Amino acid sequence: QKEVEQDPGPLSVPEGAIVSLNCTYSNSAFQYFMWYRQYSRKGPELLMYTYSSGNKEDGRFTAQVDKSSKYISLFIRDSQPSDSATYLCAIQRGAQKLVFGQGTRLTINP
Amino acid sequence: DTGVSQDPRHKITKRGQNVTFRCDPISEHNRLYWYRQTLGQGPEFLTYFQNEAQLEKSRLLSDRFSAERPKGSFSTLEIQRTEQGDSAMYLCASRTQGANTEAFFGQGTRLTVV
Repeated sequence: QKEVEQDPGPLSVPEGAIVSLNCTYSNSAFQYFMWYRQYSRKGPELLMYTYSSGNKEDGRFTAQVDKSSKYISLFIRDSQPSDSATYLCAIQRGAQKLVFGQGTRLTINP
Repeated sequence: DTGVSQDPRHKITKRGQNVTFRCDPISEHNRLYWYRQTLGQGPEFLTYFQNEAQLEKSRLLSDRFSAERPKGSFSTLEIQRTEQGDSAMYLCASRTQGANTEAFFGQGTRLTVV
């Protein structure tokens, strides 16, 4: 079983829609959860960072961690064409190594 | 630009050739990581350095791969006798030590083995 599982999509939604991206993870000991955004031919950039359970909000983005079900989510409100990218969930292991999901390719259609 | 810099951005090589990639981290970052990303997949950990010491290597890092970080500054990743399966994006990331610090990624080096 992979440590982090993510639906690869692709996901295509109209501009203004609410987007929900999800991952599951296998080890209940994980404490640090991230969402990265990766534009085509670019390196990943950190979008959201959550420690332990709960929600974290930053503008149009909300990250949610449910440790009881080992489920992490990213919600994007009022989605924009500029949000079109691949979104990667990640957990942080020892020595701050990152374990990534497969990535979900998102397209926001004007 | 004070971000993580990788060189070259693209490399096309013939099977069996050796290639070397360079990563220049953010100057105050003591930890440096190499990841490999294949098409349609998330990045996978290869190895990491704390200062000049290489502290961990993934099973993905075969004997044909070697990485160095002399003097704890820039790092190089060399692949010997390249194979078509080595075709991927090689990403470098750096960060300071500490649980709540952010990893900054470079733009990556895209390797194509023909």
